[in-house]
Amino acid sequence: NAGVTQTPKFRILKIGQSMTLQCAQDMNHNYMYWYRQDPGMGLKLIYYSVGAGITDKGEVPNGYNVSRSTTEDFPLRLELAAPSQTSVYFCASSTGGSNEKLFFGSGTQLSVL
Amino acid sequence: EDQVTQSPEALRLQEGESSSLNCSYTVSGLRGLFWYRQDPGKGPEFLFTLYSAGEEKEKERLKATLTKKESFLHITAPKPEDSATYLCAVQAPNKYIFGTGTRLKVLA
Repeated sequence: NAGVTQTPKFRILKIGQSMTLQCAQDMNHNYMYWYRQDPGMGLKLIYYSVGAGITDKGEVPNGYNVSRSTTEDFPLRLELAAPSQTSVYFCASSTGGSNEKLFFGSGTQLSVL
Repeated sequence: EDQVTQSPEALRLQEGESSSLNCSYTVSGLRGLFWYRQDPGKGPEFLFTLYSAGEEKEKERLKATLTKKESFLHITAPKPEDSATYLCAVQAPNKYIFGTGTRLKVLA
């Protein structure tokens, strides 16, 4: 029962570097999401996907890119990392139905220095 | 503007001291209100979904209630293992809005 798996758990980047946060789910969920969580702030939606090949911007998409080539995987790409991207990133999935409870991964803590 | 506000930000209780957490919301077209529990270093974990005013859900020492403007998470006789951050979220068409959470600490 893996659920939603995120890697890595921790990462330190230098300003201007790039990296990909990995997310995989084994529940055959169509919907997948990327959130960031900053201290004192609610979870903010970065990007989401309603199925393989379909992605859309959320509330805070600038500086990020995503792709969804399979139902299982939804990687988040950071290009030219900036200190403002220091945050905890959570991937989530759901069935996308009316009872849209989200299943979250354990998060990636990213620091950009 | 759609928004979700949780109060208090932090709450310290003695073991066995019952209390309530509040989630007030303003959203057009509410489809559901969700409560999640988040432990340090982990992702949020689903607790309850409420769909309409007057609805109540219970799980062990937790009971969630919903009115047209707010939801309460009642914690009865809490134990130290109930210590966590409790997040509220509302689902509307094309939106899923989270509150900032209430950090609960239960002291033995």
